Amino acid sequence: QSVLTQPPSVSGAPGQRVTISCTGSNSNIGGGYDVHWYQQFPGTAPKLLIYRNSNRPSGVPDRFSGSKSGTSASLAITGLQAEDEADYFCQSYDNSLSISVLFGGGTKLTLL
Amino acid sequence: EVRLVETGGGLIQPGGSLRLSCAASGFTVSDTYMIWVRQGPGKGLEWVSLIYSGGSTYLADSVKGRFTISRDNSKNTLYLQMNSLRGEDTAIYYCAKGEFSSYDEYYFDSWGQGTLVTVSS
Repeated sequence: QSVLTQPPSVSGAPGQRVTISCTGSNSNIGGGYDVHWYQQFPGTAPKLLIYRNSNRPSGVPDRFSGSKSGTSASLAITGLQAEDEADYFCQSYDNSLSISVLFGGGTKLTLL
Repeated sequence: EVRLVETGGGLIQPGGSLRLSCAASGFTVSDTYMIWVRQGPGKGLEWVSLIYSGGSTYLADSVKGRFTISRDNSKNTLYLQMNSLRGEDTAIYYCAKGEFSSYDEYYFDSWGQGTLVTVSS
């Protein structure tokens, strides 16, 4: 079980808005550490989607946004499209671990 | 353009050894925080080993004493030497390039395509 908790799955209809949560604790997200998000399609490598909580790399549509509050972070996807169906992972830092690369368990987004 | 290409995976018997390579282009490995991340079948992402630009290396507890990370600056290549392999090491292994976020925090802005390691008799 990951220290960063994500729902195993979320779903939404095309055009709708969905959010994916990433819940941690005071030693990671709640400690003020940054959260980053990755998108992964089946059979491919993860791709950076959001960095430093809310920043999008070049080429990522503005339909994707990130936020953070307290011990949780969220990835929001608006105007859902078929090509958004993928796995999403959050990543943060934890000051209670010897080395602090921490991934969430991942969330599978399914289009209805 | 940044590119990472992993090679070296394959089918190996329990107790065996493999060396994974991650050939980089478009940046200098020795100037960069690099990481090996693995993904077991149907599972999430798990960091395995990392190396700071200064050369400090770290291993996850699950592979400590069995795996070693290194780099060859002349070849701009990252390696993961894996010994005493176990069934639970079966996974796709990715190398990724780190970008500084803040303090000791990094995110990973470029990933290789991955190489599959299957440990089975």
